[in-house]
Amino acid sequence: GAGVSQSPSNKVTEKGKDVELRCDPISGHTALYWYRQRLGQGLEFLIYFQGNSAPDKSGLPSDRFSAERTGESVSTLTIQRTQQEDSAVYLCASSFVRKTEQFFGPGTRLTVL
Amino acid sequence: SQQGEEDPQALSIQEGENATMNCSYKTSINNLQWYRQNSGRGLVHLILIRSNEREKHSGRLRVTLDTSKKSSSLLITASRAADTASYFCARLGTGTASKLTFGTGTRLQVTL
Repeated sequence: GAGVSQSPSNKVTEKGKDVELRCDPISGHTALYWYRQRLGQGLEFLIYFQGNSAPDKSGLPSDRFSAERTGESVSTLTIQRTQQEDSAVYLCASSFVRKTEQFFGPGTRLTVL
Repeated sequence: SQQGEEDPQALSIQEGENATMNCSYKTSINNLQWYRQNSGRGLVHLILIRSNEREKHSGRLRVTLDTSKKSSSLLITASRAADTASYFCARLGTGTASKLTFGTGTRLQVTL
């Protein structure tokens, strides 16, 4: 595709439910990243994929968060047993190789009631 | 946690004026990238400047980098109302680092 796409664009869920967020990177980009942005804040790094492997998971805030990437393409971020503090915009980015420009998707706004 | 600071946190100028935003950081970088964000959603990549570069231009944008002072600045010349947005600098570390570390951004308001 022309750019990074994410779905859903908005997600409202109840505390304790699980959610899955999807990211489709730019075709041919080997590196994929997940970030989180709380209201009025900058972005916080969550996880980085090179191909289908995740050499850097250091930003995942708890074991309720996990992510996978398949086919060196689409990635899914899963949050189990959501909490209100998980409410944020979750942004995905991809780059051709690491250490180059990262191109961001429009994000998924997650609201946990 | 986030490294460095951007200043000012907010900037209001009139159309046609220049806007300068500054970014400071604490650890060595491989490169520094500037992004624009409208309405709290998608980020648009503006410029990437590498640690061995001192200045880059793109249209009305000029970015400088001073690695000795660990600081960068973004200058927008002849601003337009459409430049109203939040601007973030993001640092990419050295070595095996791949993640970008963002500041809290500068909110720019350009009025007619």
